[in-house]
Amino acid sequence: AQKVTQAQTEISVVEKEDVTLDCVYETRDTTYYLFWYKQPPSGELVFLIRRNSFDEQNEISGRYSWNFQKSTSSFNFTITASQVVDSAVYFCALSEYPNSSASKIIFGSGTRLSIRP
Amino acid sequence: AAGVIQSPRHLIKEKRETATLKCYPIPRHDTVYWYQQGPGQDPQFLISFYEKMQSDKGSIPDRFSAQQFSDYHSELNMSSLELGDSALYFCASSPGLAGVGQDTQYFGPGTRLTVL
Repeated sequence: AQKVTQAQTEISVVEKEDVTLDCVYETRDTTYYLFWYKQPPSGELVFLIRRNSFDEQNEISGRYSWNFQKSTSSFNFTITASQVVDSAVYFCALSEYPNSSASKIIFGSGTRLSIRP
Repeated sequence: AAGVIQSPRHLIKEKRETATLKCYPIPRHDTVYWYQQGPGQDPQFLISFYEKMQSDKGSIPDRFSAQQFSDYHSELNMSSLELGDSALYFCASSPGLAGVGQDTQYFGPGTRLTVL
């Protein structure tokens, strides 16, 4: 069965610190997608990134970077020089690669990140 | 860029009443998903539709039903509402099998349902 574990329930750091959100996943599929979504206090779910299971290259987008390690089934997310606007709940998620139908997303329990001024 | 539209954004109902939530996917997206997020919980998959056919089903109560229409919009119908149905209901859409980035689901702003 598929499962996503975000062991960090809450993290609080001071602005400008770097912070890493951990994500460990379980799946029997050889092909799958991994995601990170951000949910700010306003409630919407904002798509951040998607990784294909065949692509283990790390990715950087501005202050955000992602480290995908298939050997440890981890897909960690780092925010560099954090800002107050980064405060949100962050969800790591997993979906199977679709064969003939739309694939649901399995979410982790989320990490609530608070950035203090 | 156009996003997923959900209506209404907020809904207050009494126990045992019915509710209908609507979702308008991003243009040219033919796949729609419904998720339920209880307070302090992660979103849980309810049901999905691809090309107007039910594609996958999750933990959706029998009191709930959904469909996707010819214009690809979808409606989630909820009957005999219970207090525990109070949650944020998200709709997401993706390009489906025909599009690049087919498995990225873009979420709407959600409908917050409160059952009193």
